[in-house]
Amino acid sequence: AQSVTQLDSQVPVFEEAPVELRCNYSSSVSVYLFWYVQYPNQGLQLLLKYLSGSTLVKGINGFEAEFNKSQTSFHLRKPSVHISDTAEYFCAVSETEAGGTSYGKLTFGQGTILTVHP
Amino acid sequence: SQTIHQWPATLVQPVGSPLSLECTVEGTSNPNLYWYRQAAGRGLQLLFYSVGIGQISSEVPQNLSASRPQDRQFILSSKKLLLSDSGFYLCAWSGGFYNEQFFGPGTRLTVL
Repeated sequence: AQSVTQLDSQVPVFEEAPVELRCNYSSSVSVYLFWYVQYPNQGLQLLLKYLSGSTLVKGINGFEAEFNKSQTSFHLRKPSVHISDTAEYFCAVSETEAGGTSYGKLTFGQGTILTVHP
Repeated sequence: SQTIHQWPATLVQPVGSPLSLECTVEGTSNPNLYWYRQAAGRGLQLLFYSVGIGQISSEVPQNLSASRPQDRQFILSSKKLLLSDSGFYLCAWSGGFYNEQFFGPGTRLTVL
């Protein structure tokens, strides 16, 4: 079974500052990794995903994340945030076809609320 | 392009009343379908998933049930709601188990 830990429940930051949202995962097999964003009272929108290949993944809205297998991390970063980035962010993991038995079901972290102040 | 709909958007129900939430997907066929519940500060909990018509897998024992009467329709039900059923319910679809999931707009359920 896999698990996901988002290390910060809330991250306040000023507009135009850089931000990093941290995510660590645990799994005994290889994984796929995802970041989703949720605006208030809305569903989740996929920001980016890591399936294979380059460990630096670029997503929508200027976000990127880096897969670090040795540290089992998938931290989300943005060099300069906007007020409109205020939202809750979820890291998720699924086992790959190669070794998993969970049929690709997603396990989510508890979420990190990013608040961008003017 | 594919779209996913949920209704109603919000619902306030008394304890002990029945529940029916509906989710439909357009623009794809034979999707995997999922129901999640999101409680404040607790992330998303997978409730049910379905790989085809009439095929439902339950992840956690609870007061809820799910059905898939048509290929692109997924229904979440309860015969008698409990206070603990309150939450934000999200439906999602994917093109296969190892593909990313796409979420609907959600239903906010308040049980009083």
